[in-house]
Amino acid sequence: QQQVKQSPQSLIVQKGGISIINCAYENTAFDYFPWYQQFPGKGPALLIAIRPDVSEKKEGRFTISFNKSAKQFSLHIMDSQPGDSATYFCAASTSGTYKYIFGTGTRLKVLA
Amino acid sequence: SQTIHQWPATLVQPVGSPLSLECTVEGTSNPNLYWYRQAAGRGLQLLFYSVGIGQISSEVPQNLSASRPQDRQFILSSKKLLLSDSGFYLCAWSYQASTEAFFGQGTRLTVV
Repeated sequence: QQQVKQSPQSLIVQKGGISIINCAYENTAFDYFPWYQQFPGKGPALLIAIRPDVSEKKEGRFTISFNKSAKQFSLHIMDSQPGDSATYFCAASTSGTYKYIFGTGTRLKVLA
Repeated sequence: SQTIHQWPATLVQPVGSPLSLECTVEGTSNPNLYWYRQAAGRGLQLLFYSVGIGQISSEVPQNLSASRPQDRQFILSSKKLLLSDSGFYLCAWSYQASTEAFFGQGTRLTVV
């Protein structure tokens, strides 16, 4: 019940295309859903996050879509660029528990 | 502004040797501190977290231990490394009342 399932494991997208990464969870106590971007050899950096009181959050080319009833959330990268090539992790946490449950990551490659 | 320092960046250690990884946070007081491990092709696994000096919670029983001797210092240790301890170790911090975590640059540990 503590797992966050992330798919796909890897993704190749043409420059200018849309990258979509999906995550699903079981624990309905989760109330914070961040996405992290990680470049090789570096620590993850927070990209965008959402709480379950909204169904969508957009920041620039990055959008989180959240479906509370299906217990799923996804990251959409519009107009994907080669510089977006990285590993993306979804995560979930419950306020006051001090810990994230991470997905297994998606390695995105955007072709020039 | 707040910064997190983690060192060393890479480390190669023989089996059975001790380990000490250090993490410090600047620019904030009384942060929550975390140690995560990232195995190849897998997500991030929370190892330890701390909400204050001397307060350590362990998430996964293992060959490692953590200590917080000062407010903004978090140390990951082992008395005798195993081959299975190899991985990418990440330190992170968050504000006390926040679920948003900020990661360090990581330490690549290879046990040979």
